Amino acid sequence: SQQGEEDPQALSIQEGENATMNCSYKTSINNLQWYRQNSGRGLVHLILIRSNEREKHSGRLRVTLDTSKKSSSLLITASRAADTASYFCATDARQGGKLIFGQGTELSVKP
Amino acid sequence: GAGVSQTPSNKVTEKGKYVELRCDPISGHTALYWYRQSLGQGPEFLIYFQGTGAADDSGLPNDRFFAVRPEGSVSTLKIQRTERGDSAMYLCASSLMGEGETQYFGPGTRLLVL
Repeated sequence: SQQGEEDPQALSIQEGENATMNCSYKTSINNLQWYRQNSGRGLVHLILIRSNEREKHSGRLRVTLDTSKKSSSLLITASRAADTASYFCATDARQGGKLIFGQGTELSVKP
Repeated sequence: GAGVSQTPSNKVTEKGKYVELRCDPISGHTALYWYRQSLGQGPEFLIYFQGTGAADDSGLPNDRFFAVRPEGSVSTLKIQRTERGDSAMYLCASSLMGEGETQYFGPGTRLLVL
């Protein structure tokens, strides 16, 4: 079963705008990972944030983690048309390393 | 190779047939995972290997599904008596040691059962 939910399910923005996606989960975790998936393709790893971290940056990506609220957010700044994809959060829920994924946010960036 | 590879990229089969899906992890990665993704959903865990052994096969849906990793590197997911409901994207991932680490995914095998 899915660990949690992502919000929104779909997001449409203009190029240059920021995109924020949220993820909630249910159990204690080792870490939370964000992935991108272009249509019909495999998952590309974006960033991993550990349970003892609160914020992490990578290029135009900023991830926050609030373990008290069991939630995370992914911010993509200055979005580009090439950012159009589905974005998934996945939690490593201390069960041998298997990841539990949300249903994803479908991001559309219009040029 | 540089990343995780999966073959074939697409597989079309008929209901009742047997299929094998192959995963070649990143060299040196001891942990290997199989996931299944239905259209519009997130991936769902199937099985996890640590070395040659299946450390967790709790995600396999039924006994028609089986996976092996005989030499601790390449893994094969085997599906017997395929059903139309098995149609999905099958994803493989590997990580260096296992729990707590980044998992790197392959491009997936899209299985269509007619």
